[in-house]
Amino acid sequence: QQKVQQSPESLTVSEGAMASLNCTFSDGTSDNFRWYRQHSGKGLEVLVSIFSDGEKEEGRFTAHLNRASLHVSLHIREPQPSDSAVYLCAINTGYQNFYFGKGTSLTVIP
Amino acid sequence: EAAVTQSPRNKVAVTGGKVTLSCNQTNNHNNMYWYRQDTGHGLRLIHYSYGAGSTEKGDIPDGYKASRPSQENFSLILELATPSQTSVYFCASGDTGGCNERLFFGHGTKLSVL
Repeated sequence: QQKVQQSPESLTVSEGAMASLNCTFSDGTSDNFRWYRQHSGKGLEVLVSIFSDGEKEEGRFTAHLNRASLHVSLHIREPQPSDSAVYLCAINTGYQNFYFGKGTSLTVIP
Repeated sequence: EAAVTQSPRNKVAVTGGKVTLSCNQTNNHNNMYWYRQDTGHGLRLIHYSYGAGSTEKGDIPDGYKASRPSQENFSLILELATPSQTSVYFCASGDTGGCNERLFFGHGTKLSVL
């Protein structure tokens, strides 16, 4: 079974500073990787999906994938207080096989 | 925009009671999922469905049943609720199946079993 670890558990950044979140996984044969955001008391919304090594940008959100290092990261450019939420890394290894990390709680201070 | 609606939003149940959590999706997606989210565990898959009439066990199915009477509706049933089932439950629908599938989540149901 895929193991997904996220770090840090919590992160505080100032508005406008870059926020970087990390996710490591145990099986490099996974097919795709997604970052979700969860505001308090809400469901999950997908931010960015990445399928191959390199970089994928969706607005202010950029994912970097390195399968050889078993690592995928999320960088948030110019974070705003409304970006304060829990960010979840999700890995899909095939049909109905989604594995989620425990999340990183991000706080953006004005 | 995809729409997944869960009901109720909050539920308090007694130990040994029966609890039914409902999920409705208007996306016409074949796949639907039930997860629970707990501190220290993240999201864990309980049951899923490929379409009306089908239910499959996920990673932690014990103590739960599922029902998919139609394309739109997927229910999670706790026949004999226990305090260990206190959690936040999320329903999701999937748009394509396979490795490119995206999940669309409801807002969650907070269940407390006393």
